[in-house]
Amino acid sequence: NAGVTQTPKFQVLKTGQSMTLQCAQDMNHNSMYWYRQDPGMGLRLIYYSASEGTTDKGEVPNGYNVSRLNKREFSLRLESAAPSQTSVYFCASREPPGQAWHFGNGTRLTVT
Amino acid sequence: GDSVTQMEGPVTLSEEAFLTINCTYTATGYPSLFWYVQYPGEGLQLLLKATKADDKGSNKGFEATYRKETTSFHLEKGSVQVSDSAVYFCALSDLIQGAQKLVFGQGTRLTINP
Repeated sequence: NAGVTQTPKFQVLKTGQSMTLQCAQDMNHNSMYWYRQDPGMGLRLIYYSASEGTTDKGEVPNGYNVSRLNKREFSLRLESAAPSQTSVYFCASREPPGQAWHFGNGTRLTVT
Repeated sequence: GDSVTQMEGPVTLSEEAFLTINCTYTATGYPSLFWYVQYPGEGLQLLLKATKADDKGSNKGFEATYRKETTSFHLEKGSVQVSDSAVYFCALSDLIQGAQKLVFGQGTRLTINP
């Protein structure tokens, strides 16, 4: 029973490099989300996908793109990484109708 | 817009002490309320939830009651253990700009000393 799986767990990038964070869920949930966690700021929504084939911006989308590849997978791409994107990134899926969100274990990204 | 405000941390207590972490919210709709816990090096786990006014969520000795009149969802535990050391997040789920979203407080770091 994997739940939400994120890869990689850790990543170090140089400024200007690109990378894609992968997320997959095996619970057949329609809605998926990407958050970033910064000290003292809780989690902030970057992008979300309410259903397969749709994506929308959240609170802090600048510098990111997403792809909802299919119902299971929702990836987050940094085209040109900046030090301000140093953070812990969490993927989540939502279980209706109780609305419980299920989170992955996170990706710790450092941009130097 | 919707927001969640939590008691500032860090909070340090002795084992078996009583715990309260305050949480208040602002919402345009009628939200569901959650407490999530993050143990060191791990992701977020749902601790408890409440979906309507006066509901009480409970789990692992923790409790929180949805108080609409005071827009609050304070987390309590009667006797904390060292293993409760973690970061606790209060959150609300609401329909925001046409989509169901989860909005978090800033988190409260709790340390329990033996």
